[in-house]
Amino acid sequence: NAGVMQNPRHLVRRRGQEARLRCSPVKGHSHVYWYRQLPEEGLKFMVYLQKENIIDESGMPKERFSAEFPKEGPSILRIQQVVRGDSAAYFCASSPDGLSGNTIYFGEGSWLTVV
Amino acid sequence: KQEVTQIPAALSVPEGENLVLNCSFTDSAIYNLQWFRQDPGKGLTSLLLIQSSQREQTSGRLNASLDKSSGRSTLYIAASQPGDSATYLCAGGGSEKLVFGKGTKLTVNP
Repeated sequence: NAGVMQNPRHLVRRRGQEARLRCSPVKGHSHVYWYRQLPEEGLKFMVYLQKENIIDESGMPKERFSAEFPKEGPSILRIQQVVRGDSAAYFCASSPDGLSGNTIYFGEGSWLTVV
Repeated sequence: KQEVTQIPAALSVPEGENLVLNCSFTDSAIYNLQWFRQDPGKGLTSLLLIQSSQREQTSGRLNASLDKSSGRSTLYIAASQPGDSATYLCAGGGSEKLVFGKGTKLTVNP
């Protein structure tokens, strides 16, 4: 998958705990996207970030979810006070210059299970 | 609002058969149309990218076409193999995000 690294691959959290998912994009890519795949559903866009900026967060739930892509280090998707409905696969993707004409590269995903 | 639909949801074919997967989208103002493959428990692998000015792309046994006027794309797989078994996703690309269909789960039987 061309180098998008996500960790952890699998994460189990109890209701009310916090989940932090990390994503290192392909080297040299400055555009990062997070998608969520619920059971039996398609992938849904959550947020689009460039270094230190949130460009589009129209797919993010209004509460408990946040994302960042700092100048140094990986992008982080943070889910506070997790509930069972947050159980899903969370995919990170990156591209060099945005989507127009560019292939997007996906990571292997982080599978969150809330018990 | 872009919506992407894939038909059929599942398909089972014998090895060696040629097959077509269908994708339709509601908003013709897309930047590109991408086809991905997803294996169970894995991420997505990009198969073909068709930019809005193009009508088709080919890679090996795969050929994808795009007809913006009708809002349709097809993925043609020639001489299918058991290793082609996976879920195939199409996604319509705007300037900032992709809208995915729910996928077609393909099983190629030896």
